Amino acid sequence: QKEVEQDPGPLSVPEGAIVSLNCTYSNSAFQYFMWYRQYSRKGPELLMYTYSSGNKEDGRFTAQVDKSSKYISLFIRDSQPSDSATYLCASFTGGGNKLTFGTGTQLKVEL
Amino acid sequence: GAVVSQHPSWVICKSGTSVKIECRSLDFQATTMFWYRQFPKQSLMLMATSNEGSKATYEQGVEKDKFLINHASLTLSTLTVTSAHPEDSSFYICSAGAVSYNEQFFGPGTRLTVL
Repeated sequence: QKEVEQDPGPLSVPEGAIVSLNCTYSNSAFQYFMWYRQYSRKGPELLMYTYSSGNKEDGRFTAQVDKSSKYISLFIRDSQPSDSATYLCASFTGGGNKLTFGTGTQLKVEL
Repeated sequence: GAVVSQHPSWVICKSGTSVKIECRSLDFQATTMFWYRQFPKQSLMLMATSNEGSKATYEQGVEKDKFLINHASLTLSTLTVTSAHPEDSSFYICSAGAVSYNEQFFGPGTRLTVL
């Protein structure tokens, strides 16, 4: 079993839709949870960063972490074609320790 | 966030040659740097973790003699792909972190094509 599981998609939605991306994890020691966006042939770009359980909102993006169920979510409101990318969830225990990535979900927002 | 650069961004080489990729943290001291490899439509695969001034720790299945990692300073780590073969063609990405940072900062990646 992978430490972080993510549905690879692809996921296709119409412009303006609400997108829900999800991951589950198995390592109880994970304290920090991230969502990265990666465009084709580019490095990952940090979108959202959450410590422990709770919600965090930034513009059209909302990240949720439920440590009791080991569930991580990213919601994108009013999705735009420019949101078309691969979204990677990641977790780690903190400090200089390594990140554990999900497989990434490929999202396409269509006009 | 902090800025991490990689050089070169794209390299093409002949089979059997060696290629060096540099990863620099431009505005903070990275005690730890991570090297990832990513094949098309796949997630990032961690290859190794390097701490400044010590030997890198390689993930299972990664050949340490083929992928040489040096982290000689707090702002520079290098990955050398020795005797490259076409199957080494991939996207190589570094990230930089520190014990005082609860975050990693990613470089833009280097695309390696081995002919």
